[in-house]
Amino acid sequence: DTGVSQDPRHKITKRGQNVTFRCDPISEHNRLYWYRQTLGQGPEFLTYFQNEAQLEKSRLLSDRFSAERPKGSFSTLEIQRTEQGDSAMYLCASSSRRREGREGEQFFGPGTRLTVL
Amino acid sequence: RKEVEQDPGPFNVPEGATVAFNCTYSNSASQSFFWYRQDCRKEPKLLMSVYSSGNEDGRFTAQLNRASQYISLLIRDSKLSDSATYLCVVNGDMKGFQKLVFGTGTRLLVSP
Repeated sequence: DTGVSQDPRHKITKRGQNVTFRCDPISEHNRLYWYRQTLGQGPEFLTYFQNEAQLEKSRLLSDRFSAERPKGSFSTLEIQRTEQGDSAMYLCASSSRRREGREGEQFFGPGTRLTVL
Repeated sequence: RKEVEQDPGPFNVPEGATVAFNCTYSNSASQSFFWYRQDCRKEPKLLMSVYSSGNEDGRFTAQLNRASQYISLLIRDSKLSDSATYLCVVNGDMKGFQKLVFGTGTRLLVSP
């Protein structure tokens, strides 16, 4: 399977714990995005990487959130001191500017569903 | 006001019906527009891009009206498999990357 993969698919944690999610983009894609989606809402942009550089962060990304893409391949999203309001689906997407085909297409992974008790 | 607004539905239609979804966006500087489809508890997938001239892909037709900041999606001859949530999406950033802004989605239920 050469699509975007995310791990874990589900995470249940207690309030105050730290969690880390991983995203493996499509191998030739240099752009990687994180989104958050809550029930009944569309995905909301969190942050964007071009290769290893984090070029944009949403105001939604509080100080408790940090994302990395150390070698320009996989990315991690860490949430420290989780709160119940962090419960959501965390989606990763990737794209390639040089990819032939439909302009602007971002390929999404299956997401990590976080539940904070 | 939300950047992208859609009627959440649900739209309940019989097989074979024609159904239309509308969407408005607030950022007049937006350059790219899309419809994504999301099945229940699955990730969003690009259905089609939306161009000013209008574009068609099989049973699906998308239209863009920049003056009114309005996007539409028409589905003809609905199939049971069309049941999903349809997300109106706008590229909300001018820095050369695709910061996608999603509407809340319109839920479509096609019944036999």
